[in-house]
Amino acid sequence: GQQVQQSPASLVLQEGENAELQCNFSTSLNSMQWFYQRPGGSLVSLFYNPSGTKHSGRLTSTTVIKERRSSLHISSSQTTDSGTYLCALERNAGAKLTFGGGTRLTVRP
Amino acid sequence: EAAVTQSPRNKVAVTGGKVTLSCNQTNNHNNMYWYRQDTGHGLRLIHYSYGAGSTEKGDIPDGYKASRPSQENFSLILELATPSQTSVYFCASGHGTGSGNTLYFGEGSRLIVV
Repeated sequence: GQQVQQSPASLVLQEGENAELQCNFSTSLNSMQWFYQRPGGSLVSLFYNPSGTKHSGRLTSTTVIKERRSSLHISSSQTTDSGTYLCALERNAGAKLTFGGGTRLTVRP
Repeated sequence: EAAVTQSPRNKVAVTGGKVTLSCNQTNNHNNMYWYRQDTGHGLRLIHYSYGAGSTEKGDIPDGYKASRPSQENFSLILELATPSQTSVYFCASGHGTGSGNTLYFGEGSRLIVV
């Protein structure tokens, strides 16, 4: 089965609303990473988060290893936040990542 | 700022032909990776490398070869391209030292096999 599952698959918000994106994993991990992919573009790293909570501007990432989940919270969404958000499991230190299917976010003005 | 450059950015190939996708990184990263991205499958790892001269199979290596002739360059080779290999391919690099192993991705190479 799929080792990394993201939910929801897609999400539509009005500008200013908050979003909570979920990532659940079924295997042990060294770390969890979150990436943003703009439409038709490359991926940009948002967080490298082995455990606990990290903040960056309007973004917050929380990884709870015991519960095998990680979340990405976006507060006060903006139209420029539109795109796909991917989580990726790092199975062992410094090695390959396994990606979830992504959450496609659309923020309407 | 980390820089990963892929070429070509777009390619149309014929079935049975040979395709080489090239990737160059200027950050002296040890690890490099090739992923493909398809609707419904997300990003899947094809091959990766821990350094010059090393290549490792990822999760979906069949039909692909990889070459890492130097620290900076990592190529993905399709010896006999098939329509099922139509996809967007992403190269990435990273330090590979565990903590802080952020990956830096290229812009992607869109391949269509007809």
